[in-house]
Amino acid sequence: AQSVAQPEDQVNVAEGNPLTVKCTYSVSGNPYLFWYVQYPNRGLQFLLKYITGDNLVKGSYGFEAEFNKSQTSFHLKKPSALVSDSALYFCAVRDNGQAGTALIFGKGTTLSVSS
Amino acid sequence: EAGVAQSPRYKIIEKRQSVAFWCNPISGHATLYWYQQILGQGPKLLIQFQNNGVVDDSQLPKDRFSAERLKGVDSTLKIQPAKLEDSAVYLCASSLKRDNSYEQYFGPGTRLTVT
Repeated sequence: AQSVAQPEDQVNVAEGNPLTVKCTYSVSGNPYLFWYVQYPNRGLQFLLKYITGDNLVKGSYGFEAEFNKSQTSFHLKKPSALVSDSALYFCAVRDNGQAGTALIFGKGTTLSVSS
Repeated sequence: EAGVAQSPRYKIIEKRQSVAFWCNPISGHATLYWYQQILGQGPKLLIQFQNNGVVDDSQLPKDRFSAERLKGVDSTLKIQPAKLEDSAVYLCASSLKRDNSYEQYFGPGTRLTVT
Protein backbone atom coordinates (compact mmCIF):
# COMPACT_ATOMS: atom_id res chain seq x y z
CA ALA A 1 0.00 0.00 0.00
CA GLN A 2 1.10 3.54 -0.70
CA SER A 3 1.94 5.74 2.29
CA VAL A 4 3.63 8.95 3.29
CA ALA A 5 5.32 9.76 6.59
CA GLN A 6 6.10 13.19 7.96
CA PRO A 7 8.11 12.42 11.09
CA GLU A 8 7.94 15.89 12.61
CA ASP A 9 4.72 17.41 13.92
CA GLN A 10 6.37 20.83 14.15
CA VAL A 11 9.48 22.53 12.81
CA ASN A 12 10.71 25.77 14.35
CA VAL A 13 13.18 28.02 12.57
CA ALA A 14 14.34 31.62 12.84
CA GLU A 15 13.68 34.01 10.00
CA GLY A 16 16.56 34.05 7.53
CA ASN A 17 17.71 30.55 8.43
CA PRO A 18 17.35 27.58 6.08
CA LEU A 19 14.44 25.24 6.67
CA THR A 20 13.78 21.57 5.97
CA VAL A 21 10.49 19.73 6.32
CA LYS A 22 10.95 15.97 6.06
CA CYS A 23 8.93 13.45 4.10
CA THR A 24 9.44 9.78 3.35
CA TYR A 25 7.24 7.63 1.15
CA SER A 26 6.39 4.06 0.31
CA VAL A 27 5.04 3.10 -3.10
CA SER A 28 4.99 -0.04 -5.18
CA GLY A 29 6.01 1.61 -8.43
CA ASN A 30 7.42 4.95 -9.49
CA PRO A 31 6.39 7.73 -7.14
CA TYR A 32 4.61 10.93 -8.04
CA LEU A 33 5.30 13.25 -5.12
CA PHE A 34 3.76 16.58 -4.16
CA TRP A 35 4.03 19.27 -1.51
CA TYR A 36 1.07 21.40 -0.49
CA VAL A 37 0.78 24.23 2.03
CA GLN A 38 -2.30 25.08 4.07
CA TYR A 39 -2.90 28.45 5.70
CA PRO A 40 -5.58 28.80 8.42
CA ASN A 41 -9.14 28.59 7.10
CA ARG A 42 -7.91 28.13 3.56
CA GLY A 43 -7.61 25.20 1.21
CA LEU A 44 -4.40 23.48 0.26
CA GLN A 45 -2.13 25.30 -2.16
CA PHE A 46 0.16 23.43 -4.52
CA LEU A 47 3.88 24.13 -4.01
CA LEU A 48 5.75 21.67 -6.22
CA LYS A 49 5.83 18.17 -7.61
CA TYR A 50 8.23 15.45 -8.68
CA ILE A 51 7.19 13.28 -11.59
CA THR A 52 10.45 12.35 -13.26
CA GLY A 53 13.77 13.89 -14.23
CA ASP A 54 15.96 16.17 -12.12
CA ASN A 55 15.99 15.16 -8.47
CA LEU A 56 15.92 18.80 -7.34
CA VAL A 57 12.54 20.33 -7.97
CA LYS A 58 11.87 24.05 -7.66
CA GLY A 59 8.45 25.38 -6.78
CA SER A 60 6.48 28.38 -5.61
CA TYR A 61 7.60 30.99 -3.07
CA GLY A 62 11.26 29.94 -3.22
CA PHE A 63 10.66 26.40 -2.03
CA GLU A 64 12.43 23.39 -3.46
CA ALA A 65 12.45 19.68 -2.76
CA GLU A 66 14.98 16.95 -3.27
CA PHE A 67 13.92 13.52 -4.42
CA ASN A 68 16.13 10.73 -3.08
CA LYS A 69 15.16 7.34 -4.42
CA SER A 70 17.56 5.31 -2.28
CA GLN A 71 16.28 6.91 0.91
CA THR A 72 12.69 7.13 -0.37
CA SER A 73 12.59 10.73 0.74
CA PHE A 74 11.25 13.99 -0.66
CA HIS A 75 12.26 16.71 1.80
CA LEU A 76 11.02 20.27 1.35
CA LYS A 77 13.64 23.00 1.66
CA LYS A 78 14.07 26.75 1.52
CA PRO A 79 17.39 28.58 1.83
CA SER A 80 16.05 31.50 3.85
CA ALA A 81 12.81 31.26 5.83
CA LEU A 82 10.27 34.08 6.09
CA VAL A 83 7.76 34.65 8.89
CA SER A 84 5.06 34.42 6.23
CA ASP A 85 6.13 30.81 5.53
CA SER A 86 4.54 29.79 8.83
CA ALA A 87 1.82 27.31 7.89
CA LEU A 88 0.90 23.63 7.75
CA TYR A 89 2.77 21.63 5.11
CA PHE A 90 1.63 18.36 3.60
CA CYS A 91 3.59 15.85 1.59
CA ALA A 92 1.54 13.62 -0.70
CA VAL A 93 2.06 10.70 -3.04
CA ARG A 94 -0.06 9.68 -5.95
CA ASP A 95 -1.77 6.34 -5.73
CA ASN A 96 -0.95 4.81 -9.10
CA GLY A 97 -1.99 1.27 -8.21
CA GLN A 98 -5.64 1.49 -9.06
CA ALA A 99 -7.97 3.35 -11.35
CA GLY A 100 -8.07 6.42 -9.17
CA THR A 101 -5.46 9.13 -9.08
CA ALA A 102 -6.18 10.53 -5.67
CA LEU A 103 -3.43 11.84 -3.43
CA ILE A 104 -2.36 10.07 -0.24
CA PHE A 105 -1.30 12.66 2.31
CA GLY A 106 0.99 12.64 5.30
CA LYS A 107 -0.36 13.97 8.58
CA GLY A 108 1.24 17.36 8.06
CA THR A 109 4.05 19.38 9.63
CA THR A 110 3.50 22.77 11.20
CA LEU A 111 6.26 25.20 10.28
CA SER A 112 6.78 28.09 12.66
CA VAL A 113 9.16 30.85 11.61
CA SER A 114 10.08 33.34 14.32
CA SER A 115 11.25 36.90 13.70
CA GLU B 1 -8.71 32.01 -13.45
CA ALA B 2 -11.33 31.37 -10.77
CA GLY B 3 -10.48 28.71 -8.24
CA VAL B 4 -12.50 25.85 -6.82
CA ALA B 5 -15.59 27.17 -5.07
CA GLN B 6 -17.25 25.50 -2.12
CA SER B 7 -20.25 26.29 0.01
CA PRO B 8 -21.15 26.61 2.75
CA ARG B 9 -17.87 27.47 4.45
CA TYR B 10 -19.13 26.43 7.88
CA LYS B 11 -21.96 24.21 9.06
CA ILE B 12 -23.08 23.10 12.51
CA ILE B 13 -25.65 20.33 12.81
CA GLU B 14 -26.83 17.86 15.40
CA LYS B 15 -26.12 14.17 15.08
CA ARG B 16 -28.62 12.24 12.98
CA GLN B 17 -29.38 15.33 10.91
CA SER B 18 -28.52 15.56 7.23
CA VAL B 19 -26.22 18.02 5.47
CA ALA B 20 -25.10 18.77 1.92
CA PHE B 21 -22.00 20.42 0.54
CA TRP B 22 -21.56 21.97 -2.89
CA CYS B 23 -18.48 22.25 -5.06
CA ASN B 24 -17.84 24.05 -8.34
CA PRO B 25 -14.49 23.03 -9.87
CA ILE B 26 -12.21 25.09 -12.04
CA SER B 27 -13.70 25.49 -15.50
CA GLY B 28 -12.66 22.69 -17.83
CA HIS B 29 -11.40 20.38 -15.10
CA ALA B 30 -12.69 16.90 -15.82
CA THR B 31 -11.59 15.25 -12.59
CA LEU B 32 -13.14 16.13 -9.25
CA TYR B 33 -12.27 14.83 -5.78
CA TRP B 34 -13.87 15.03 -2.35
CA TYR B 35 -11.53 14.67 0.62
CA GLN B 36 -12.25 14.52 4.35
CA GLN B 37 -9.73 16.22 6.65
CA ILE B 38 -10.09 15.40 10.32
CA LEU B 39 -8.32 17.73 12.73
CA GLY B 40 -4.65 16.80 13.06
CA GLN B 41 -4.65 14.54 10.02
CA GLY B 42 -4.00 14.85 6.33
CA PRO B 43 -6.88 14.82 3.86
CA LYS B 44 -8.31 11.43 2.96
CA LEU B 45 -10.09 10.68 -0.30
CA LEU B 46 -13.82 10.03 -0.14
CA ILE B 47 -14.69 9.89 -3.82
CA GLN B 48 -13.25 10.71 -7.23
CA PHE B 49 -15.22 11.60 -10.36
CA GLN B 50 -14.10 11.65 -13.95
CA ASN B 51 -16.63 13.88 -15.70
CA ASN B 52 -19.91 12.55 -14.28
CA GLY B 53 -18.71 9.02 -13.60
CA VAL B 54 -17.32 7.61 -10.36
CA VAL B 55 -13.70 6.44 -10.58
CA ASP B 56 -13.03 5.58 -6.95
CA ASP B 57 -15.45 5.52 -4.02
CA SER B 58 -13.82 2.72 -2.08
CA GLN B 59 -13.39 4.85 1.06
CA LEU B 60 -16.80 6.47 1.00
CA PRO B 61 -19.05 5.28 3.89
CA LYS B 62 -21.90 4.49 1.56
CA ASP B 63 -24.40 3.79 4.32
CA ARG B 64 -24.45 7.50 5.14
CA PHE B 65 -22.47 9.40 2.50
CA SER B 66 -23.48 10.02 -1.09
CA ALA B 67 -22.13 12.20 -3.86
CA GLU B 68 -23.08 13.10 -7.37
CA ARG B 69 -21.81 15.08 -10.31
CA LEU B 70 -24.76 14.91 -12.66
CA LYS B 71 -23.65 17.20 -15.49
CA GLY B 72 -19.92 16.66 -15.10
CA VAL B 73 -19.38 20.08 -13.55
CA ASP B 74 -20.77 20.89 -10.07
CA SER B 75 -20.83 18.25 -7.40
CA THR B 76 -22.68 17.72 -4.14
CA LEU B 77 -21.69 15.59 -1.17
CA LYS B 78 -24.38 14.56 1.29
CA ILE B 79 -24.27 13.02 4.73
CA GLN B 80 -27.43 11.41 6.12
CA PRO B 81 -27.56 10.80 9.02
CA ALA B 82 -24.52 12.56 10.45
CA LYS B 83 -22.45 11.14 13.29
CA LEU B 84 -20.16 12.92 15.73
CA GLU B 85 -17.11 11.45 13.98
CA ASP B 86 -18.09 13.19 10.75
CA SER B 87 -16.87 16.48 12.22
CA ALA B 88 -14.15 17.50 9.80
CA VAL B 89 -13.26 19.81 6.93
CA TYR B 90 -14.57 18.59 3.60
CA LEU B 91 -12.30 19.60 0.74
CA CYS B 92 -13.16 19.59 -2.92
CA ALA B 93 -10.35 19.46 -5.48
CA SER B 94 -10.19 19.36 -9.24
CA SER B 95 -7.57 18.64 -11.87
CA LEU B 96 -7.46 19.16 -15.58
CA LYS B 97 -6.99 15.52 -16.40
CA ARG B 98 -6.87 12.21 -14.65
CA ASP B 99 -3.19 11.76 -15.50
CA ASN B 100 -0.90 11.21 -12.53
CA SER B 101 1.28 14.20 -13.40
CA TYR B 102 -1.46 16.78 -13.03
CA GLU B 103 -1.66 18.59 -9.71
CA GLN B 104 -4.93 19.06 -7.90
CA TYR B 105 -6.38 22.44 -7.01
CA PHE B 106 -8.26 22.65 -3.74
CA GLY B 107 -11.20 24.74 -2.63
CA PRO B 108 -11.32 26.47 0.79
CA GLY B 109 -13.27 23.61 2.33
CA THR B 110 -16.44 23.28 4.39
CA ARG B 111 -15.92 22.93 8.12
CA LEU B 112 -18.59 20.63 9.55
CA THR B 113 -19.26 20.39 13.26
CA VAL B 114 -21.62 17.66 14.44
CA THR B 115 -22.92 18.11 18.00
